[in-house]
Amino acid sequence: DAGITQSPRHKVTETGTPVTLRCHQTENHRYMYWYRQDPGHGLRLIHYSYGVKDTDKGEVSDGYSVSRSKTEDFLLTLESATSSQTSVYFCAISESTGSNYGYTFGSGTRLTVV
Amino acid sequence: RKEVEQDPGPFNVPEGATVAFNCTYSNSASQSFFWYRQDCRKEPKLLMSVYSSGNEDGRFTAQLNRASQYISLLIRDSKLSDSATYLCVVMDGTGGGNKLTFGTGTQLKVEL
Repeated sequence: DAGITQSPRHKVTETGTPVTLRCHQTENHRYMYWYRQDPGHGLRLIHYSYGVKDTDKGEVSDGYSVSRSKTEDFLLTLESATSSQTSVYFCAISESTGSNYGYTFGSGTRLTVV
Repeated sequence: RKEVEQDPGPFNVPEGATVAFNCTYSNSASQSFFWYRQDCRKEPKLLMSVYSSGNEDGRFTAQLNRASQYISLLIRDSKLSDSATYLCVVMDGTGGGNKLTFGTGTQLKVEL
């Protein structure tokens, strides 16, 4: 069920360079999310979107920006990558309403900042 | 205090055993509750929603105690394939976005 795909799957980048991660969905879901997962912290919300051009910050948004110009695409940008941003990044989607809807996650992007 | 707390484990159990995981959450306004499963180096996948009346899906039973802000997951007749990390997840229905807050997970290892 490839309703959500992330690219790239792996990336190594140098400190100070910009990096953009892409999330693409084919489910036409309203909500899209970016999380990072680190040992001991679990999944933490970076930014989320509730529609085209509608985004908001999560708990760990510093150093990250997002854009959503189309329903199907949600981009996460690290303007100037730092070693603390080495992590696994997951994109997720959810339907707009309903208290029993969970998320569907992409396969993740493993980012290493050296 | 973390918003969602879980015992990290690992829980090492023999095949066929019954194992229970517990989770507590701090936000009394939380509206929806889930258990996710995450295999090593994979994405989390929804295992089951948790309803106030308790619910069962095959070998898995989930319970919610809103008064104590406590969620549990019971796995009966454990299989080797149940080995994974189990994430307790809470949805804050206030504001917008259906945002989920994740526990750090409980690792389960089922052994022969």
